[in-house]
Amino acid sequence: QSALTQPASVSGSPGQSITISCTGTSSDVDAYNYVSWHQQHPGKAPKVMIYDVSHRPSGVSNRFSGSKSGNTASLTISGLQAEDEADYYCSSYTRSTVVFGGGTKLTVL
Amino acid sequence: QVQLQESGPGLVKPSETLSLTCTVSGGSITNYFWNWIRQPPGQGLEWIGYIYHSGSTSYNPSLQSRVTILLDTSKNHFSLRLSSVTAADTAVYYCARRGYYMDVWGKGTTVTVSS
Repeated sequence: QSALTQPASVSGSPGQSITISCTGTSSDVDAYNYVSWHQQHPGKAPKVMIYDVSHRPSGVSNRFSGSKSGNTASLTISGLQAEDEADYYCSSYTRSTVVFGGGTKLTVL
Repeated sequence: QVQLQESGPGLVKPSETLSLTCTVSGGSITNYFWNWIRQPPGQGLEWIGYIYHSGSTSYNPSLQSRVTILLDTSKNHFSLRLSSVTAADTAVYYCARRGYYMDVWGKGTTVTVSS
């Protein structure tokens, strides 16, 4: 299985919106509605921000939203805040295994 | 509140077997998928595998020949064994619980492979 493809970096100014893409294949992202997005701050464990493509866990800001079209999933963060600066990883279920994306570094300018 | 804690040697010699344990506190080890994930220095996350409370397992195909994940319900913990390690196995190793999603993670433990 190959890692899902994410842009290495994205940036935005406070208050703006950004979108991070996650491209997989017909065997993972396109085949299942089990895409999650994980936020990781330096030195910390990842935290799920979106699961099952578009569901937010309790306690996660509604500024975070997810969607999917075909083999590409997307994470959108609206109203960017300084605390959103972190690494973001997508993951997908595939044939009883899990595959992560390579990660995207979000910089809040 | 469920918490996970990884434990094990921080230094392993090349060609030896890496062994880690994840202790589950504040909840039962039943009814979830129990995962191991790792992150090499400066790199992204890599899923290693999981064990279901029934004992069934699934592993990353790239690691499958070297990985074993075991569950001990009496001790409320699960473990990872990775054989024939090399420097490429140097990473922070995380354990995580998955129900609908990976909602609980350990803080991670650093394992260095070096002679």
